[in-house]
Amino acid sequence: GEDVEQSLFLSVREGDSSVINCTYTDSSSTYLYWYKQEPGAGLQLLTYIFSNMDMKQDQRLTVLLNKKDKHLSLRIADTQTGDSAIYFCAEMTGATNKLIFGTGTLLAVQP
Amino acid sequence: DVKVTQSSRYLVKRTGEKVFLECVQDMDHENMFWYRQDPGLGLRLIYFSYDVKMKEKGDIPEGYSVSREKKERFSLILESASTNQTSMYLCASSGANYGYTFGSGTRLTVV
Repeated sequence: GEDVEQSLFLSVREGDSSVINCTYTDSSSTYLYWYKQEPGAGLQLLTYIFSNMDMKQDQRLTVLLNKKDKHLSLRIADTQTGDSAIYFCAEMTGATNKLIFGTGTLLAVQP
Repeated sequence: DVKVTQSSRYLVKRTGEKVFLECVQDMDHENMFWYRQDPGLGLRLIYFSYDVKMKEKGDIPEGYSVSREKKERFSLILESASTNQTSMYLCASSGANYGYTFGSGTRLTVV
């Protein structure tokens, strides 16, 4: 079945770059997504990438997709304390058009 | 912007009570979803619906039911609440391939 994996925790210093990694198993994924969840809130869509792209940049966010290795990453440049949150990777499966989520990575930004 | 509204942010219910969690979206989306979120387990799909009066079981439907009488409203029902249903419940809707839009979540505590 489909599976999406992420590391659970990442700590960085303010001003540094953060890189959050994700691996998935479904080779028929059509879209891949990054969501951000701040404490006590729902999930907010940050960005997405279509499966035939290998990179997408949006201001401080860069998404890299290695389809051969089924590896997705989110790079946040100049990380700020307001970026502290849980980040979820998700894939839309080709078979069912449902989103499969990873377990989330808690990003802690140290001042 | 799509808005998904969950009726309660926090709920405390007693074991054995029947609990209704309500979700309303305002963008005429066909697809609606209920997830629960638990630490270390990520998001798990309970039920989803692709159309009015239509429902499909997700990965963990036991102990839950749903109702979708109108396109904009998707209700999650706990027939007889138990302490292991204490969790954060997230509703989402989608209409295209741009991922899901989530509500703010309902934190349910069953005592």
